[in-house]
Amino acid sequence: KNEVEQSPQNLTAQEGEFITINCSYSVGISALHWLQQHPGGGIVSLFMLSSGKKKHGRLIATINIQEKHSSLHITASHPRDSAVYICAVEGSGGGADGLTFGKGTHLIIQP
Amino acid sequence: NAGVTQTPKFRILKIGQSMTLQCTQDMNHNYMYWYRQDPGMGLKLIYYSVGAGITDKGEVPNGYNVSRSTTEDFPLRLELAAPSQTSVYFCASSKDRELDTQYFGPGTRLTVL
Repeated sequence: KNEVEQSPQNLTAQEGEFITINCSYSVGISALHWLQQHPGGGIVSLFMLSSGKKKHGRLIATINIQEKHSSLHITASHPRDSAVYICAVEGSGGGADGLTFGKGTHLIIQP
Repeated sequence: NAGVTQTPKFRILKIGQSMTLQCTQDMNHNYMYWYRQDPGMGLKLIYYSVGAGITDKGEVPNGYNVSRSTTEDFPLRLELAAPSQTSVYFCASSKDRELDTQYFGPGTRLTVL
């Protein structure tokens, strides 16, 4: 069973700061997902990646398959980025068993 | 497209009662999932379906049942509610199993007293 660890668990930063959230996992995967959970509870998929780097607006996600590690970066952070960011991995074993999730990083961006 | 919809949004049950959480998607996705989210914990897979008529257990299936009679609908049934089933339940869907984005419903907050 894959173990997914995120750090930090909680992060408070000032508007404009560069944010990094980390995710590590224990077993090889086919893909890694970054999700955003809004204060109202809804969950939105931000990225899905299996190698390298992806960028969408101010968000950048990277993954290092050899090190079993991924990072989510937010540039020029804004209060509307305040949310819980969740890392989830897809196993490479071939079974249709959904995602394994980290516990999330609670991010607060103060004006 | 409405995406993935769930009803109800909130529900309070008494111990031993039964209920069905509804989930519908209008994206013609083959794969559908039910997750539960407990405070301070990551989401955990309850059941999943790879297409109409096919379902299978996830990590935490005890106390739940599902059916998939159509591509669109994937209801989750609680037969004898217990306090341990107090949680937020999310339904999700994806077109393919691997390497595909999962789309989540808004969630159902269930309290069992």
